[in-house]
Amino acid sequence: EVQLVESGGGLVQPGRSLRLSCTASGFTFDDYAMHWVRQAPGEGLEWVAGLSWNSGIINYADSVKGRFTISRDNAKNSLYLQMNSLRSEDTAFYYCTKAWSSLGANFDSWGQGTLVTVSS
Amino acid sequence: EIVMTQSPATLSVSPGERATLSCRAGQSVGSDLAWYQQRPGQTPRLLIYGASTRATGIPARFSGSGSGTEFTLTISRLQSEDFAIYYCQQYNTWPPITFGQGTRLEI
Repeated sequence: EVQLVESGGGLVQPGRSLRLSCTASGFTFDDYAMHWVRQAPGEGLEWVAGLSWNSGIINYADSVKGRFTISRDNAKNSLYLQMNSLRSEDTAFYYCTKAWSSLGANFDSWGQGTLVTVSS
Repeated sequence: EIVMTQSPATLSVSPGERATLSCRAGQSVGSDLAWYQQRPGQTPRLLIYGASTRATGIPARFSGSGSGTEFTLTISRLQSEDFAIYYCQQYNTWPPITFGQGTRLEI
């Protein structure tokens, strides 16, 4: 069974940083692209960033480009999101998602999410 | 950026009836269209990919159709657990990957 477990969320002041982690199990992690998708409370889904199986292709939403960095450690079956210069509009649940292929961009498994609240 | 527009925003139906949800893309996405279900308090779940292929474990009462810019998710014989928010998503031209704003299916 595929499991994706996020951690690292919390309350942070505007302008500060936070690092999210996602630990994967139940599948061959380095066979698949991985993405972060976020959802502000009561709002819809917004794709944040994604990277291919070997980190050779990395993409970001314009709203986070230059502030967020996605990375993975295939030896540790882990995905990360380094979030710098956080803004109030970054407040959301952040979901770690597994793509359906090594380069894919639809999401066949989702973690439970970790809440990031940016507020002073 | 390809804008995805879902209609209606809210759809009221009764258990046992059929629901038809629409999704329109701002430009052609071929068949690179997925549908997700998000029940209250839960994380999204992939229902359909490739516009019409059901994901693993998804009941046959869910069906997807369309290509290009017009897509439909049909849920026949609605059950209580089907009342949720449904999102479409294109993955043809990215970044960015884009979602529709969602359709809330309610009793």
